[in-house]
Amino acid sequence: QKEVEQNSGPLSVPEGAIASLNCTYSDRGSQSFFWYRQYSGKSPELIMFIYSNGDKEDGRFTAQLNKASQYVSLLIRDSQPSDSATYLCAVISYNQGGKLIFGQGTELSVKP
Amino acid sequence: NAGVTQTPKFQVLKTGQSMTLQCAQDMNHNSMYWYRQDPGMGLRLIYYSASEGTTDKGEVPNGYNVSRLNKREFSLRLESAAPSQTSVYFCASSDTAVAPLHFGNGTRLTVT
Repeated sequence: QKEVEQNSGPLSVPEGAIASLNCTYSDRGSQSFFWYRQYSGKSPELIMFIYSNGDKEDGRFTAQLNKASQYVSLLIRDSQPSDSATYLCAVISYNQGGKLIFGQGTELSVKP
Repeated sequence: NAGVTQTPKFQVLKTGQSMTLQCAQDMNHNSMYWYRQDPGMGLRLIYYSASEGTTDKGEVPNGYNVSRLNKREFSLRLESAAPSQTSVYFCASSDTAVAPLHFGNGTRLTVT
């Protein structure tokens, strides 16, 4: 089982819809969770991080963490074509000595 | 304020050649990382340095060596390049091991 798993997609949503991106992780001891966005040919950039169970909102983005079920999700409200990118989930894994481990990424396409 | 600077941006090597990828950050961060990114594989950690003077192996260290030259600089060396090392390499830094990463623009390496 991979440490961090994401559905690679592509996930296609119409403009204005809610895009839901999911990520599961295997290390129950993980404490820190990150979402990065990566445009084609560019480097990843941080969108959100979350440390506690529950929801964290920042503008159109909401991160949701459920440690009991070992998943973290990212919701993008009012999706825009400019949100089209690959979204990378990353988790601090204590199984890996406290290193940041990335999922394979989910490609999101927002259609006008 | 340049952030994380990687050089070179592109490189083509023949099998068996050696080269060093350079990375420097000007944010006074303690931790620095080298990742490689291959299609469908997400970002995989090669080596990291939690602080000046220390380095540690990541998920895929074979075929690579690193040097944390000082707090600012962290280099990645390929002693004898192989086609399997064709990838995009990203350097990143963070204030602490659990803080979000700041990425450089990447180096696209092709080994023929």
